[in-house]
Amino acid sequence: AQSVTQPDIHITVSEGASLELRCNYSYGATPYLFWYVQSPGQGLQLLLKYFSGDTLVQGIKGFEAEFKRSQSSFNLRKPSVHWSDAAEYFCAVGIIQGAQKLVFGQGTRLTINP
Amino acid sequence: DADVTQTPRNRITKTGKRIMLECSQTKGHDRMYWYRQDPGLGLRLIYYSFDVKDINKGEISDGYSVSRQAQAKFSLSLESAIPNQTALYFCATSDPGTSAADTQYFGPGTRLTVL
Repeated sequence: AQSVTQPDIHITVSEGASLELRCNYSYGATPYLFWYVQSPGQGLQLLLKYFSGDTLVQGIKGFEAEFKRSQSSFNLRKPSVHWSDAAEYFCAVGIIQGAQKLVFGQGTRLTINP
Repeated sequence: DADVTQTPRNRITKTGKRIMLECSQTKGHDRMYWYRQDPGLGLRLIYYSFDVKDINKGEISDGYSVSRQAQAKFSLSLESAIPNQTALYFCATSDPGTSAADTQYFGPGTRLTVL
């Protein structure tokens, strides 16, 4: 069955430091992969998505993610975090069962130290 | 104005009560979804609808029902609320794309507490 694992429940980094959030998926077919961000009290906003082509995907707010098929991973990165990046981040895989459905990981909560 | 709105934003109710959560969208999308979010579990799909005549169960539909009153409106009902339905509920919409890569747009969420 399809699944998404985000191994890190909570990560703390200093402002200005680099960031990498891990995501591993299990899906038998070509994956369609997404990263969403949830700011406190807000809904989810799409950061970026991968469905074909270049395995390095650029998103909004300076984020990027790299699809590695051999590792079944889609890790999210940012070279230098800002205090406003504090949020919860969700990785998801889009599956086709008649239409698109998303299977989400458990989420990673990011805290930024000043 | 927000593209996807949910009402109420917060609700406290008692065990056994019937409650309805409403979702409206101005994006003109055919597909609509209801998810619940629990700490440590991410978001899980409750129901989804491809259009007003098509409604499908998600992975955790037991104890819930839905109604698609129009293209723009999709309501979630708890016929007899129980405490383990305490969660954050999200509505989402998407375009009927040709692949699984179409983006889902989420509402701000409804925080439901069942006492």
